[in-house]
Amino acid sequence: EIVMTQSPATLSVSPGERATLSCRASQSVSSNLAWYQQKPGQAPRLLIYGASTRATGIPARFSGSGSGTEFTLTISSLQSEDFAVYYCQQYNNWPKTFGQGTKVEIK
Amino acid sequence: EVQLVESGGGLVKPGGSLRLSCAVSGFTFSSYNMNWVRQAPGKGLEWVSSISNSGSYIYYADSVKGRFTISRDNAKNSLYLQMTSLRAEDTAVYYCARSAPFVDYGGKTYYYFDYWGQGTLVTVSS
Repeated sequence: EIVMTQSPATLSVSPGERATLSCRASQSVSSNLAWYQQKPGQAPRLLIYGASTRATGIPARFSGSGSGTEFTLTISSLQSEDFAVYYCQQYNNWPKTFGQGTKVEIK
Repeated sequence: EVQLVESGGGLVKPGGSLRLSCAVSGFTFSSYNMNWVRQAPGKGLEWVSSISNSGSYIYYADSVKGRFTISRDNAKNSLYLQMTSLRAEDTAVYYCARSAPFVDYGGKTYYYFDYWGQGTLVTVSS
């Protein structure tokens, strides 16, 4: 099983600042990586797939990069609605595993 | 508009059974692979099971293999998860999610989850 490790566990950021979230895979997943956003009481929402492709309707301030084992989600200028938990997921191998999540909170 | 609506959750005793349903609309259900993902209270996401569009290919997480059965009825636009021998650790919100294809540079197709339902809570407790 591929283990996905996200860092940091919690990121404190002021509105308007840049946020950088990391995700590491225990073995290569090529570019088969997705990022999801989840707000309290809501279902996860797809942000990024293919490591760097924004999903439909996702603002340009969200960007993804990386391949192999190291991936990054960047939020260029945090808006109030962006404070949430973010999960990475590899879909290269079965089982399709998720990271433990990074909570982005208001500083 | 793509919609996925789960139902069937509730309180069940350890060792009991429950059947979850996911009714979909807004897309051609029979063309898409589907999935169940769960989230224990205050915890992260865990993939549970996947089924191909025709039902020919099925996968399970080791944690549920032999106890859960995924199925679908394309005529009814519905996905199901039959859960038996339930344990306290199965307590979670269960989401159904649609798979979307991603074709890599080598032409091989992989599947991520593009739409999710709102989830249904399953509580296993005596």
